[in-house]
Amino acid sequence: GIQVEQSPPDLILQEGANSTLRCNFSDSVNNLQWFHQNPWGQLINLFYIPSGTKQNGRLSATTVATERYSLLYISSSQTTDSGVYFCAGTGFQKLVFGTGTRLLVSP
Amino acid sequence: GAGVSQSPRYKVAKRGQDVALRCDPISGHVSLFWYQQALGQGPEFLTYFQNEAQLDKSGLPSDRFFAERPEGSVSTLKIQRTQQEDSAVYLCASSLGTGQGGEQYFGPGTRLTVT
Repeated sequence: GIQVEQSPPDLILQEGANSTLRCNFSDSVNNLQWFHQNPWGQLINLFYIPSGTKQNGRLSATTVATERYSLLYISSSQTTDSGVYFCAGTGFQKLVFGTGTRLLVSP
Repeated sequence: GAGVSQSPRYKVAKRGQDVALRCDPISGHVSLFWYQQALGQGPEFLTYFQNEAQLDKSGLPSDRFFAERPEGSVSTLKIQRTQQEDSAVYLCASSLGTGQGGEQYFGPGTRLTVT
């Protein structure tokens, strides 16, 4: 089955800094999603991005399907960006999640 | 519109008890998924329904785990004779279509603690 790797595992930023999170997957995927898990455990959809580039405010994502990776960019980070970021991919239906990037943004 | 809802949000069970966890998907969503998230890990797939049909249950860890979606809407995940290793957050997700790889939307989860 598909395997998903995320890097870095942990990231500490000063408020206002920019960052890039990476997701590599072992096989081609039909679905690639990025989530933010907040401190209460809710998985919040950030991007549905099997290929191409999307932007939403301070966040943007790029998936290069032919090279099997996706990047999540966070610009001008805020303390509310803290939490765990997951990418997940699927070849058919079930999502396979990476182990996440734990982000802490300090004031 | 309303998102995916789950109940209860928290459940404490004594070892050996049976529990039932409920999921209300987004209205009109055909596909429904259950995932299990252990502490410090990413969610892991348990089972998948397309309407009332359970098409994939390959992730269920043992025959103590059972899921149903009898009318193609609400789903229940049942765990019989709970064990301590069942302690986790159980997440439900739904997706609009039946095609390959549609966007999934998650509920808030049920945190199960087995004592």
